Amino acid sequence: AQSVTQLDSQVPVFEEAPVELRCNYSSSVSVYLFWYVQYPNQGLQLLLKYLSGSTLVKGINGFEAEFNKSQTSFHLRKPSVHISDTAEYFCAVSDTITGGGNKLTFGTGTQLKVEL
Amino acid sequence: NAGVTQTPKFQVLKTGQSMTLQCAQDMNHEYMSWYRQDPGMGLRLIHYSVGAGITDQGEVPNGYNVSRSTTEDFPLRLLSAAPSQTSVYFCASSYGRGGRQPQHFGDGTRLSIL
Repeated sequence: AQSVTQLDSQVPVFEEAPVELRCNYSSSVSVYLFWYVQYPNQGLQLLLKYLSGSTLVKGINGFEAEFNKSQTSFHLRKPSVHISDTAEYFCAVSDTITGGGNKLTFGTGTQLKVEL
Repeated sequence: NAGVTQTPKFQVLKTGQSMTLQCAQDMNHEYMSWYRQDPGMGLRLIHYSVGAGITDQGEVPNGYNVSRSTTEDFPLRLLSAAPSQTSVYFCASSYGRGGRQPQHFGDGTRLSIL
């Protein structure tokens, strides 16, 4: 079984400032890692994913994340945020076992609020 | 290309009533799933399906029933609604079974049980 911890429930930040949203996971098997974004009253959209290879992953809207196996972390970063980045962000994992389906285990989410 | 479509968008039920949340996808995805989203708890998996005729339980299956008679549709049934089932429900689909593929989410059904 896996678990995902997003320690920060809310992160306020000023526009054009950098931001980091933290994600740590626990799993007994290798995992795939995802970040999803949820805008108000909408479903979740994929920001980026780590499957294998380079530990630095670039996604949409200028976001990137770094997979750190030793620290079991997958923190999300953006060098300069915009008002339109205000949303809730979810870190999620799925296991790599073939045939295990695409079951996602989500963190509790981080609400990013960008202020002028 | 509509993606994942959920109906209704909003619903209010009384305790003890039953209802079906509909989910349809037009991407020929094998894998479909239902999640519920509650404040401070993220999304939790209710049931999932790896193909037509195959379903299995997720983390919080009690009080819910599913079936998958076609690739496109994956309805979620509340057998006897309880206030604890007040939540936002999301349906998702993805291609393949191996866990690598990102999931596509519907816009959700907001359900209130009085």
